[in-house]
Amino acid sequence: DVQLTQSPSSLSASVGDRVTFTCRASQSISSYLNWYQQKPGKAPTLLIYVASNLQSGVPARFSGSGSGTDFTLTISSLQPEDFATYYCQQIYFTPITFGQGTRLEIK
Amino acid sequence: EVQLVESGGGLVQPGGSLRLSCAASGFTFSSYWMHWVRQAPGKGLMWVSRISGDGSDTAYEESVKGRFTISRDNAKNTVYLQMNSLRAEDTGVYSCALPARGGKAWFDPWGQGTLVTVSS
Repeated sequence: DVQLTQSPSSLSASVGDRVTFTCRASQSISSYLNWYQQKPGKAPTLLIYVASNLQSGVPARFSGSGSGTDFTLTISSLQPEDFATYYCQQIYFTPITFGQGTRLEIK
Repeated sequence: EVQLVESGGGLVQPGGSLRLSCAASGFTFSSYWMHWVRQAPGKGLMWVSRISGDGSDTAYEESVKGRFTISRDNAKNTVYLQMNSLRAEDTGVYSCALPARGGKAWFDPWGQGTLVTVSS
């Protein structure tokens, strides 16, 4: 199975900060990497699909990049509603796998 | 508007069975694969299973293979997850998810999930 390793596991930041999360795959997954945001008690919501495509309705402060094994999710200027847990997901191989998540907390 | 509503969760003893349902609306159900994903309490996401639009093609995560069966009724716009020989480690919120297209696709949206608790 493809292992996805997210770093950091948790991050404290302030409103207005620029933050970057990384997701590393144990083998090449081309660009088949998606990012989701999950708030407590809620279902995950799609932010970025196929590495760099912004989902409709998602603010432009979110961006994604990468291919092969290394991927990043960047939030250019943190807003209060962005404090949540972020997961990456690979859809290139079966079984589909997720990273362990990065928890973004308010500093 | 696409909606996915899960039901069927509850408390079950180890070794027991449950059948989860996911009722879908707002799209042409029979044209889409459907997936189940699990989230253990306080933990991350784990893909469980998927089924093709016509029900002919299925796949499972290794730990549930042989115990869980995914199926669908396109006349009722519903996908099911039959869970047998349940273990404590199967505890979690089970959500169905809609892939955006056939083949390799991202999930959007997800249902809110139904909680399964396996405990004596």
